[in-house]
Amino acid sequence: GENVEQHPSTLSVQEGDSAVIKCTYSDSASNYFPWYKQELGKRPQLIIDIRSNVGEKKDQRIAVTLNKTAKHFSLHITETQPEDSAVYFCAASPSGGSYIPTFGRGTSLIVHP
Amino acid sequence: EAQVTQNPRYLITVTGKKLTVTCSQNMNHEYMSWYRQDPGLGLRQIYYSMNVEVTDKGDVPEGYKVSRKEKRNFPLILESPSPNQTSLYFCASSFQVGETQYFGPGTRLLVL
Repeated sequence: GENVEQHPSTLSVQEGDSAVIKCTYSDSASNYFPWYKQELGKRPQLIIDIRSNVGEKKDQRIAVTLNKTAKHFSLHITETQPEDSAVYFCAASPSGGSYIPTFGRGTSLIVHP
Repeated sequence: EAQVTQNPRYLITVTGKKLTVTCSQNMNHEYMSWYRQDPGLGLRQIYYSMNVEVTDKGDVPEGYKVSRKEKRNFPLILESPSPNQTSLYFCASSFQVGETQYFGPGTRLLVL
């Protein structure tokens, strides 16, 4: 089955800095890669996603890049703000087979004012 | 308002006492799933459903049952809960497989 590795597990930055979280996946059949943000005590919510036919996608301060050959994708947050502090999860979903999305173990991002 | 709801939000029970956690969505989504979230392990899928009467096992199905008799509801059943099922549970739905998943508010379960 799919295996998703997410790094780092904890990331501490100063307000205004950039933050990068990286994920690797093992199943070449995966073609949908969402990123979720989970604030303390809340539910995970989608912040950005990318499909395998696209190499990069941006939404204001957030961007995701995908390298299908190397089987890795990354979340980039620029000009971080304290409200970006949360746990971020990446996931990889296959286009067929078991349809089970596999999540990374999460990255706790702390943005210091 | 489009949403996924779960009940109860918090539950303390004892080993062996059957329980059901309900999940309902009002977005006419075909795909629904259950996850458990444990510290350091991320989200692991328990069961999923592609549509009414179509369910299948996820990564960690042992000790759980589900049913999908109606499109909007996808209850999670623990026939004989054990302490290792103490966890935070999320229901999620999406229009189709491989689309954005919308999560419920979560159910925190403690099995004594």
